[in-house]
This record gives sequence, structure tokens and C-alpha cells, in this order.
Amino acid sequence: GAVVSQHPSWVICKSGTSVKIECRSLDFQATTMFWYRQFPKQSLMLMATSNEGSKATYEQGVEKDKFLINHASLTLSTLTVTSAHPEDSSFYICSAFRARTIGETQYFGPGTRLLVL
Amino acid sequence: AQSVTQLDSQVPVFEEAPVELRCNYSSSVSVYLFWYVQYPNQGLQLLLKYLSGSTLVKGINGFEAEFNKSQTSFHLRKPSVHISDTAEYFCAVSAARTTGTASKLTFGTGTRLQVTL
Repeated sequence: GAVVSQHPSWVICKSGTSVKIECRSLDFQATTMFWYRQFPKQSLMLMATSNEGSKATYEQGVEKDKFLINHASLTLSTLTVTSAHPEDSSFYICSAFRARTIGETQYFGPGTRLLVL
Repeated sequence: AQSVTQLDSQVPVFEEAPVELRCNYSSSVSVYLFWYVQYPNQGLQLLLKYLSGSTLVKGINGFEAEFNKSQTSFHLRKPSVHISDTAEYFCAVSAARTTGTASKLTFGTGTRLQVTL
């Protein structure tokens, strides 16, 4: 159990377009999902915390108007990179926190690699 | 706030040799500790976690880690590595919670384990 999927796994787009990335918890309900960004050979940096039915909480330095997060249901959160530019190229990873469990871990998706030309 | 230090960016080791990947953390509150493994172009897989109780934690793939509160460390060990263990390993920390709510994970910078024949 505790499987998290991401779609798409790869995306290449032109500068100025918007890209939507989906994160789904397949076999459990996730009240909270996290979005991370990882540059090559670097660690994961938390971008935002997404709570079902409420606005996302962004980390300092992350533009909320550029990285739109929607958590419409207990199994789906989306990250939309608006007006993408080459500097937005990165590996985006989501994780999901299983609800109502003390000390539960976050389960990570396989990641989405974004390349903006 | 919490922080994690992984002093070794790379650890080369021969197959069947033992290995230790070091992790130190800093926190003003009680913590949960995690080790994740990341294979190329993939998301993170949980190796093991420490929440409470026994300080020696056993995980998947023959890995174990020991929580040392006085030294604020959570080093990962394996008595005999395989070629397939070659990957990036991340230590992470979160604030311990008493309710079933999610807590942010703070990651170390990662250690690249390179196993050779």
C-alpha cells in the first residue's frame, strides 16, 4: 500500500507556456501533500504544503502566483507552473501524508522532470 | 526549525564491504528521523524511520540506523553492500507530533553511495 503517482513523468515545453503536474495517492487518503523541487545533484527543497480544501502554504522565496497548487480532493493535488521559463526546469516531486496516523511518514511520488526550452 | 547535516557527499565502497553513512541533526524539539534512498530519475523510497522506542532501527534491504540523542546523530549502516545499493541517500528530520497531522521534512544534502567490484 501507500502508492503515490505523478503524471506526467516527463514534460518538455516552450518558454511561456503553463504546465500542470498531478500527484495522486492511489490507495489511501492524503489530507496533506507536499511539493518539492530538486536541482541536479542537490537535495529536495520544499516548495509548498498542500492541504485538502484549503489554500496551500508556500515556503519563503516560492512565488505562489507562479506555482499554483490545488488540492481538490483527498487523493489529488496539482501543481501548475505558469508561464514557465528555462530556470523552472527541474525535477518536481510530490509526497503524500496519510491521514489520521501519528508519526506517519510521507510517501513520495516518482517525480516529474520538467524541461523548459 | 530543524536542520540536517550529511558530511559525506560521496562514499565509495567495494562490494560486500560494510558502509556507514553519517547524519547529524539539530532541533530544539523532539524529532522523527528518516533515511530515504533515491535511484536515478526516481522519487524517494523510505529505508527506515525512527519515531520512538528502541534506538536501533532496522529497515529494508539490510540497512539499519541508530539514533543517538546525545550526539544528535542517526547514522545509516549496512554490513555488506551490493552493487545495487549504488544510489543517493538522504537523511531527513521532522518535528515529532502528537496528533495525526503532517510535519515538514527537512532533508540533508545527500550522500552518493558508489559500490564497485
